[in-house]
Amino acid sequence: NAGVMQNPRHLVRRRGQEARLRCSPMKGHSHVYWYRQLPEEGLKFMVYLQKENIIDESGMPKERFSAEFPKEGPSILRIQQVVRGDSAAYFCASSPPSTGLNTEAFFGQGTRLTVV
Amino acid sequence: AQTVTQSQPEMSVQEAETVTLSCTYDTSESDYYLFWYKQPPSRQMILVIRQEAYKQQNATENRFSVNFQKAAKSFSLKISDSQLGDAAMYFCAYRSRGNKLVFGAGTILRVKS
Repeated sequence: NAGVMQNPRHLVRRRGQEARLRCSPMKGHSHVYWYRQLPEEGLKFMVYLQKENIIDESGMPKERFSAEFPKEGPSILRIQQVVRGDSAAYFCASSPPSTGLNTEAFFGQGTRLTVV
Repeated sequence: AQTVTQSQPEMSVQEAETVTLSCTYDTSESDYYLFWYKQPPSRQMILVIRQEAYKQQNATENRFSVNFQKAAKSFSLKISDSQLGDAAMYFCAYRSRGNKLVFGAGTILRVKS
């Protein structure tokens, strides 16, 4: 059973371009979470999705950021018109449908976005 | 809002010795879980140990144990017989209804040989 797969591992974008980060959850997992880690900081929650639904987007910036988790295919975190401050590591985590408070969320290895 | 505070940006320990990493949190909820994650240089987040808030018994996983003080909202991690492979960033995290994890800022652990 493959773990959470994120791609690309590294992404370089020029200011103003779009960044698309992909996350394939573990097999059988229907809950996906996105977190952002700025240098020397902890992970900050961005968004929580279930298949075709956004459950909690309280950590998403109001503009330029969007996320989806379609019925088929990976979850996508999309950043439009990137700025230098978007440079960070973006982590995806997934958990199974029977998610309780004690359910382990499995993390991918992250995508490091660098905006130049 | 829930917050998690790790007051030690960096800690060092001699190989084979014991080290304790501190974590405090703030919440008004009664039902929640606490976690410690390890992040080595590879950036992979690895679950080290978890604690249920309604359980008084402290969780233990091999060389890792916690000291959970619910009234004080404190959740420290003790690593016994430290090994070089324990060197990493350690994050304390909180989870309640809503399922999202709230992380502290992390503690870098250095292990000296």
